[in-house]
Amino acid sequence: DARVTQTPRDKVTEMGQEVTMRCQPILGHNTVFWYRQTMMQGLELLAYFRNRAPLDDSGMPKDRFSAEMPDATLATLKIQPSEPRDSAVYFCASGLGQGLGETQYFGPGTRLLVL
Amino acid sequence: KQEVTQIPAALSVPEGENLVLNCSFTDSAIYNLQWFRQDPGKGLTSLLLIQSSQREQTSGRLNASLDKSSGRSTLYIAASQPGDSATYLCAPNSGYALNFGKGTSLLVTP
Repeated sequence: DARVTQTPRDKVTEMGQEVTMRCQPILGHNTVFWYRQTMMQGLELLAYFRNRAPLDDSGMPKDRFSAEMPDATLATLKIQPSEPRDSAVYFCASGLGQGLGETQYFGPGTRLLVL
Repeated sequence: KQEVTQIPAALSVPEGENLVLNCSFTDSAIYNLQWFRQDPGKGLTSLLLIQSSQREQTSGRLNASLDKSSGRSTLYIAASQPGDSATYLCAPNSGYALNFGKGTSLLVTP
């Protein structure tokens, strides 16, 4: 049963620390998405990759967030330095297509708490 | 930017009732629309995906309809059960990004 996996599932850290979240997309999928969910804003797109190339990262705070795909089986989202307002659930999703409405499959999320 | 509204925000019903969850969106130029379920502290489970050319999609006790021209979708749940208690999210897709509503929080009481 192919699934998107994310690590860690939960992360508690102190303000100013670096946080790295990892995502393994479904094997063979060529699109990867990072979403953030908060009570106030709901689910919002942070970044979008197709064939490992970043095509949209307009949803990310540029000064502290970075997203990469070192290879086709790994996507990372880093926050440095972290702030309390970054506390949220971060979801990774993957799909297969050209970014024209293909189905997205979500991972279980990383719950981040920044103290 | 696509704006998605879900009504009601919360709903509590006794077991066995049929219920309707509503979703409206501002940009009708969509490829498809997905309905998701989210249990507390959990990830998103895809329930139904309706392509823009379709009017309805059914899975078990769930039926979703789409009126693209008016920017509306409806999720119908038949014979509700306590296990249906969750938050239901609507997400139209206009390109690569899903645009989510805030969801409808459903509680089905025994």
